[in-house]
Amino acid sequence: GEDVEQSLFLSVREGDSSVINCTYTDSSSTYLYWYKQEPGAGLQLLTYIFSNMDMKQDQRLTVLLNKKDKHLSLRIADTQTGDSAIYFCAESGDYGQNFVFGPGTRLSVLP
Amino acid sequence: DTEVTQTPKHLVMGMTNKKSLKCEQHMGHRAMYWYKQKAKKPPELMFVYSYEKLSINESVPSRFSPECPNSSLLNLHLHALQPEDSALYLCASSQVPGDEQYFGPGTRLTVT
Repeated sequence: GEDVEQSLFLSVREGDSSVINCTYTDSSSTYLYWYKQEPGAGLQLLTYIFSNMDMKQDQRLTVLLNKKDKHLSLRIADTQTGDSAIYFCAESGDYGQNFVFGPGTRLSVLP
Repeated sequence: DTEVTQTPKHLVMGMTNKKSLKCEQHMGHRAMYWYKQKAKKPPELMFVYSYEKLSINESVPSRFSPECPNSSLLNLHLHALQPEDSALYLCASSQVPGDEQYFGPGTRLTVT
C-alpha cells in the first residue's frame, strides 16, 4: 500500500531556515500537501503542489518536489518560534481515496 | 467563509452512552471526511462522503455511524464505544474528492 515517511524531529534556531523532508511510495500521487498542526488544534493546510510541478513558493515557504525520487521537502525561511508545530506531509491520488499522511515532523524552534 | 466548524470541542462519554459529533462547512464543498487521530500519530481516514453519499468506509467498526444530512453538514453518531476509541476526531472538507482538504479544529473524545 501507499506509504509516506518523514523524520520525526527537527530543531532549528530562530531566524535559520528549516527543511522538512518527506518521501512517498505511490507513483500515482496527484497532489502532495503540507499541513501544520499546533498542540490541541486541527490541521492547517500550508501549501500543496501538483505532481507535475517541481517547485512552489509562497512567502516564507518553498516546496520542492523530486518526482523521480518521490521526495518532497518544505523549506521555511527565517523560522520563528510560532512555527513550532508538527508538520505532516500527505499525498492523494484522484477522488481522495488514497489520502495518506506521513507520521509528522515535530519542529522545535530554539531562541 | 473558509472555515470548517466542529462541535463539541470536548466530549466525555461512558461506554453505554449515545452521542453525536457535528461538522459544518459553508464553502460549497461536496466532499467531507472524518478522521481519527491518536496522540502523536497522524490522522487516520475513517469515512469519505462525496456529494452526500458515503463513498469510503475504511473498515470502521459499526459503533461509529456517519450521516450526511445535506451538503453542509456531517455527523458522526457514537454508540457503545470503547476506551481505546478516545482520540481527537477531525472533520475535513474539500471542493471535490481529491482536492486539498480543509480541517476543523476537532472534537477531543474521552470514553470512560
